[in-house]
Amino acid sequence: NAGVTQTPKFQVLKTGQSMTLQCAQDMNHNSMYWYRQDPGMGLRLIYYSASEGTTDKGEVPNGYNVSRLNKREFSLRLESAAPSQTSVYFCASSEVFYGYTFGSGTRLTVV
Amino acid sequence: EDKVVQSPLSLVVHEGDTVTLNCSYEVTNFRSLLWYKQEKKAPTFLFMLTSSGIEKKSGRLSSILDKKELFSILNITATQTGDSAVYLCAGSNTGNQFYFGTGTSLTVIP
Repeated sequence: NAGVTQTPKFQVLKTGQSMTLQCAQDMNHNSMYWYRQDPGMGLRLIYYSASEGTTDKGEVPNGYNVSRLNKREFSLRLESAAPSQTSVYFCASSEVFYGYTFGSGTRLTVV
Repeated sequence: EDKVVQSPLSLVVHEGDTVTLNCSYEVTNFRSLLWYKQEKKAPTFLFMLTSSGIEKKSGRLSSILDKKELFSILNITATQTGDSAVYLCAGSNTGNQFYFGTGTSLTVIP
């Protein structure tokens, strides 16, 4: 099925551990995004990549790094996880004149 | 500062009622207004609006954009329990950045 695939779906980390969230899309979209969603705060943009080879900070980039590996893949890395990074993370892709397609989300808990 | 504000924050209605969800936006170099429905996981796309005054319709859902007053509404007629969800509104700019509101939580009671 065409769409956005995120892995893993669930993850528990200890404070200070690192991990990478993977995202891949097969719709040939140029733009990809990482969001986090926290209760009462809506979706907040962490990083985005307007096209292959470019990445830019969003609203809440601190504590995260990203890699646009190729047109299909956009990964999000937490180098040293903190409890404040407990959230649900969504990857998304889009073309300029179409709405987003979201992945199914990753529920991350940092203890 | 770019922002999108949705109202009400939450809404409880009975099946068969009609509801109107509101979204106001302040987005520099505005391109489009998008509506999403989020049930348990990822938001699913409903509508994208780029022109004022042109209603988009899908079944019992419809939406319209007013670019002069900087708002959009999402109407749901003859609500069903399956309409219970969080409805998200987002404004996008010409740089393909998206600004989301916090959402309106709709609960439809049988």
